[in-house]
Amino acid sequence: RKEVEQDPGPFNVPEGATVAFNCTYSNSASQSFFWYRQDCRKEPKLLMSVYSSGNEDGRFTAQLNRASQYISLLIRDSKLSDSATYLCVVTLDNNAGNMLTFGGGTRLMVKP
Amino acid sequence: AAGVIQSPRHLIKEKRETATLKCYPIPRHDTVYWYQQGPGQDPQFLISFYEKMQSDKGSIPDRFSAQQFSDYHSELNMSSLELGDSALYFCASSRSGQGQSGYTFGSGTRLTVV
Repeated sequence: RKEVEQDPGPFNVPEGATVAFNCTYSNSASQSFFWYRQDCRKEPKLLMSVYSSGNEDGRFTAQLNRASQYISLLIRDSKLSDSATYLCVVTLDNNAGNMLTFGGGTRLMVKP
Repeated sequence: AAGVIQSPRHLIKEKRETATLKCYPIPRHDTVYWYQQGPGQDPQFLISFYEKMQSDKGSIPDRFSAQQFSDYHSELNMSSLELGDSALYFCASSRSGQGQSGYTFGSGTRLTVV
């Protein structure tokens, strides 16, 4: 079983739709949580960090439930340019030397 | 702003050859991480360095070695290459104590072993 699990998708949605991705992690000692976006054959890029209180950045909202070890990402008003793979990422803590553990990614395809 | 620089961008090697991948972190970043991403896979952690010392080790084969130099750049040395080593190799860097700012990845080196 992977340490970070995601529904691989693909999620096929029309432009303007709202889509939600979920992620669960197994290590209760995980401290830092992120959503990364990866376009085909490109490097992962940080989309947003995820805080315990939940946080929003424009059309993107991230939630963290430590008790359930569950992270979510909500994308509102989907754009064609949102098409990518979204990677849920956790780390044990944010001190130097701790690696990122990736989920398998969820592929999103936004169609006209 | 300066990003994480990786070289080469593409590399083609034959089986049993050796390869060296280089990574130049963002200035003032003291930690470097190496990841391997096979086709259709998520990135898998290989190894990391903090202040020129190895700090974490993941699924790095014994045929691979890495180090971080005094200028903080890092090199991943791969020997006795196998077909299964064909992948995208990403380097990421971070600075300790910066809080939940995440990490920055380089554009990767695409290694093809034939």
